[in-house]
Amino acid sequence: GESVGLHLPTLSVQEGDNSIINCAYSNSASDYFIWYKQESGKGPQFIIDIRSNMDKRQGQRVTVLLNKTVKHLSLQIAATQPGDSAVYFCAERVYYGGSQGNLIFGKGTKLSVKP
Amino acid sequence: EPEVTQTPSHQVTQMGQEVILRCVPISNHLYFYWYRQILGQKVEFLVSFYNNEISEKSEIFDDQFSVERPDGSNFTLKIRSTKLEDSAMYFCASRVPGFYNEQFFGPGTRLTVL
Repeated sequence: GESVGLHLPTLSVQEGDNSIINCAYSNSASDYFIWYKQESGKGPQFIIDIRSNMDKRQGQRVTVLLNKTVKHLSLQIAATQPGDSAVYFCAERVYYGGSQGNLIFGKGTKLSVKP
Repeated sequence: EPEVTQTPSHQVTQMGQEVILRCVPISNHLYFYWYRQILGQKVEFLVSFYNNEISEKSEIFDDQFSVERPDGSNFTLKIRSTKLEDSAMYFCASRVPGFYNEQFFGPGTRLTVL
């Protein structure tokens, strides 16, 4: 079963450095992956997505890498800023007939940016 | 920019009471979702709704839960008899048709069951 706890993995970086947040997803049938950012007291906010037929996708200051062989997803944030401080969740979607795309979220990583 | 809104932002209730959490999805969205997040834990899927009926639901979404789209704009989650373990943040999300379209989340309702 899954571990349940109040403590999230934390990544602490210096402002201006690059950040890499990792996620292991659970289902090899997942076809779509999204990274969400959640600031304190707010709902998840979309950052970037990637389909399973891709292994890399770039956005503004962010890059998502997908390794389907080991079921691993990473989010790279370039030149991390204090405003990037938040909890980051990866989410996967498993496609099957009739599915409406509900997401399965990972446990989250807290990113703390030091000025 | 259009956004998903939720009311109330915080709801405190006594165990055994009924609560209704309200959401106004983005106007041209057709797929609606409820998720919950217990403090410090990950976001968990509850239910998806399309074409005025439930499409999928998780094990969490038992007979105590129901959803409704009473008019063209609101999407509600009702918990009939709240339990202490229902205390969580409840997020509504919506998306447009199209298989690879992101879900937009609302700010959440914090439900506290005493």
